[in-house]
Amino acid sequence: GENVEQHPSTLSVQEGDSAVIKCTYSDSASNYFPWYKQELGKRPQLIIDIRSNVGEKKDQRIAVTLNKTAKHFSLHITETQPEDSAVYFCAGGGAAGNKLTFGGGTRVLVKP
Amino acid sequence: EAEVAQSPRYKITEKSQAVAFWCDPISGHATLYWYRQILGQGPELLVQFQDESVVDDSQLPKDRFSAERLKGVDSTLKIQPAELGDSAMYLCASSAPGFVYFGPGTRLTVL
Repeated sequence: GENVEQHPSTLSVQEGDSAVIKCTYSDSASNYFPWYKQELGKRPQLIIDIRSNVGEKKDQRIAVTLNKTAKHFSLHITETQPEDSAVYFCAGGGAAGNKLTFGGGTRVLVKP
Repeated sequence: EAEVAQSPRYKITEKSQAVAFWCDPISGHATLYWYRQILGQGPELLVQFQDESVVDDSQLPKDRFSAERLKGVDSTLKIQPAELGDSAMYLCASSAPGFVYFGPGTRLTVL
């Protein structure tokens, strides 16, 4: 089955700096890679996703890159703000109903 | 905006007792998942349904956990008997093509 590893486990950045979280996956058949943001006590919320037919996707201050050959993908948050502080999870899996395997999470702290 | 519904939101029980969680997916979503999230970790899939059929329950501890989705709509996850190590957030999710939506979760504490 799929195995997703995520690094780092914690990340502290100064407000306005960039944050980068990296994930690797094992199953070359995986073709869907979402990122979730989870605030304390709340559900994971989808913030951005990427499919294997593209290499990069951007949404305002958030971008995700995918390297299929190396089987890794990354989340980039630019101009970080205190409200970006949360736990971020990457996941990998098949599209349209296939299960997602989650990484272990990255706790991001943005210091004002 | 349609959301996945779960109840109860919080459950405290003593070990060896039985507990049950309910989930109502977004209308029209054929795929339903139950995930368990231990504090500080990522969600771990317990069981996946496609309509009323189990697609994947390889990580479900079948000696104490059971899940059903009899009419292919809402679903129930049961634990009997509960153990201390079952304390976690139990997240239900449903999916449309390409997207997985999570419910608010049920936080279970086993004393």
